[in-house]
Amino acid sequence: GAVVSQHPSWVICKSGTSVKIECRSLDFQATTMFWYRQFPKQSLMLMATSNEGSKATYEQGVEKDKFLINHASLTLSTLTVTSAHPEDSSFYICSARAPLGGGAPDTQYFGPGTRLTVL
Amino acid sequence: GESVGLHLPTLSVQEGDNSIINCAYSNSASDYFIWYKQESGKGPQFIIDIRSNMDKRQGQRVTVLLNKTVKHLSLQIAATQPGDSAVYFCAERGGSEKLVFGKGTKLTVNP
Repeated sequence: GAVVSQHPSWVICKSGTSVKIECRSLDFQATTMFWYRQFPKQSLMLMATSNEGSKATYEQGVEKDKFLINHASLTLSTLTVTSAHPEDSSFYICSARAPLGGGAPDTQYFGPGTRLTVL
Repeated sequence: GESVGLHLPTLSVQEGDNSIINCAYSNSASDYFIWYKQESGKGPQFIIDIRSNMDKRQGQRVTVLLNKTVKHLSLQIAATQPGDSAVYFCAERGGSEKLVFGKGTKLTVNP
């Protein structure tokens, strides 16, 4: 259980275009999803927290008008990189919060990531 | 502020040996810690977690130790296998639902 998928797995786009990445929880409902960015050989950096039915909460330094997040249902969150530039090239990973069960605290399960390359 | 760091960025072990990956954290208010494994080009995979009211937890071939006195977390992998080669991240949750990730340790298992 607790499977998270992302689509697409990779995308190449031209500078100035917009790219949408989907994150889906396949076998559970997630009221909260998270979007991370990871540069090569670096750790994951939280970009924003996506809450179903409300506005996303962005981390300091992340432009909300550039990285549009929509959490339209309990199983789907989307990240749109608007007017993408080469510096936006990165590995984008989403996660969804799900209970482990047995009284354990909720934990985050991650999607496989989306490799974005902006030419 | 919250931060999670690592003692060693790389670790190389022989197949069959035990591996120990360390992590230091700075937020004494963190109540929950998780170890993730990330293979190249993939998302992080949950390995094991531990609450702050525990000091040890065992899973299948893995053990997590938590020392709150010195704010140190470790992941022990028994009988390390080539398939264990990956980057391992510790993460802490410090009072909110957000996770803060450490820098990661790259584990290489030599046959």
